[in-house]
Amino acid sequence: SQTIHQWPATLVQPVGSPLSLECTVEGTSNPNLYWYRQAAGRGLQLLFYSVGIGQISSEVPQNLSASRPQDRQFILSSKKLLLSDSGFYLCAWSPAGQGQETQYFGPGTRLLVL
Amino acid sequence: LAKTTQPISMDSYEGQEVNITCSHNNIATNDYITWYQQFPSQGPRFIIQGYKTKVTNEVASLFIPADRKSSTLSLPRVSLSDTAVYYCLVVGTDSWGKLQFGAGTQVVVTP
Repeated sequence: SQTIHQWPATLVQPVGSPLSLECTVEGTSNPNLYWYRQAAGRGLQLLFYSVGIGQISSEVPQNLSASRPQDRQFILSSKKLLLSDSGFYLCAWSPAGQGQETQYFGPGTRLLVL
Repeated sequence: LAKTTQPISMDSYEGQEVNITCSHNNIATNDYITWYQQFPSQGPRFIIQGYKTKVTNEVASLFIPADRKSSTLSLPRVSLSDTAVYYCLVVGTDSWGKLQFGAGTQVVVTP
C-alpha cells in the first residue's frame, strides 16, 4: 500500500530564517505531487505541483519554492521566511496518469513564524 | 474552472442522516465531483467521487442530478466522529494545477 510522510510535524522559525519541509511517498512510482498551505480556519491553497522529477509548476507567486530531486520526494523551501508564511503545510500525491481527481494527503507540517 | 458553493456549517445529532449540497453551475463536461473530509490538524481525506447519477461506497453516497449543476453528499447515520469539515471540489483533466479547496462545510455532530 502507499504511504505519504511529512516532516517535521511542527516547526517554529524566526522571521528571515530559511525553511525546508520534506515529503516522501512510498509504494508507488512517478506520482503527481502537490504542496498546499492552509491558513487557520480557511480552505487549502495549492502552491506547487509536479508531474515528474525536476518538473515544478507554481500556482501562486510567493516567498516559497519547491523541488523534486527524486521520483518520490518533494521539498518545499524558503530562503527567508515571512510572518505570512505561517500556516499548515500539506503534501499530497495522486497516481501517475490519473490527474488530480483523487489526491492523498500527508499528515501536514504546522509552521509558526515569529 | 468551476466554482463551488456549499453551506458554511451544519449541525446534526448522532444517528441522523446529513446531506450537504454543493452548487457548481459552470461545471465542464470533463469535470468530476469529488468530496474530501478534514479533521482538525490533519490532511483532507478522499471520501467519494462521481460524474453523474449516484455513487455509493462504505462511507457516503453522492447524488448528482442530470444537469450536474449541483451535487449532494449524504452521510448516513452520523456519529460524533463524523464531526469535520467537508469540501466539495470540481476537477477535471483540463484543470491541471487549478484545484481549489473552498472554505468547506463544518459539520458538527452532537449526542
